[in-house]
Amino acid sequence: GENVEQHPSTLSVQEGDSAVIKCTYSDSASNYFPWYKQELGKRPQLIIDIRSNVGEKKDQRIAVTLNKTAKHFSLHITETQPEDSAVYFCAAFIQGAQKLVFGQGTRLTINP
Amino acid sequence: KAGVTQTPRYLIKTRGQQVTLSCSPISGHRSVSWYQQTPGQGLQFLFEYFSETQRNKGNFPGRFSGRQFSNSRSEMNVSTLELGDSALYLCASSLGVLVAYSTGELFFGEGSRLTVL
Repeated sequence: GENVEQHPSTLSVQEGDSAVIKCTYSDSASNYFPWYKQELGKRPQLIIDIRSNVGEKKDQRIAVTLNKTAKHFSLHITETQPEDSAVYFCAAFIQGAQKLVFGQGTRLTINP
Repeated sequence: KAGVTQTPRYLIKTRGQQVTLSCSPISGHRSVSWYQQTPGQGLQFLFEYFSETQRNKGNFPGRFSGRQFSNSRSEMNVSTLELGDSALYLCASSLGVLVAYSTGELFFGEGSRLTVL
């Protein structure tokens, strides 16, 4: 299969709290998992990625975890700030089909 | 370094018409991918071109087509437009072909917003 399911579709958190977005993929051969952030009216931009030989990766307030057995990966944002408000897309590179499949997106709102 | 440029940014068409969208990748990038973005559907893969060859195609009808020129610029065409084709069409360029993922990053343009009436 080539599905990537992303949850939740919308997420609202208080400034300073943490936010977690989860994605599930169906192809066990998937080997690359990027996360893109799209601010309102702007283009998607890569914020972090992880490859299948790594379980966790951190970059300042952002971290991604990967569970290959369960075929899911998650984005964690700590100490959220207003500028974190955006739509976040997870994706999985499907090795067999050789294409990047995106999730449906999560609209994250940080409340001051 | 100039980013990915897409033209036109906005366009309105009527059902049955056709449309051509253009994408100029970052200089030196040879791979161009196209995605359709609609509310609730995320980014759906249309096709990828590398060195003027279509490497892969998504699950879209044959009305959706594309091509890439020798300078890596790419165009996509949608014929016999339907109301459901209304969307933001994004192109993205990358340094190498997706399967290699040498850098792993797609650089997106700002998109062409198509409205079909």
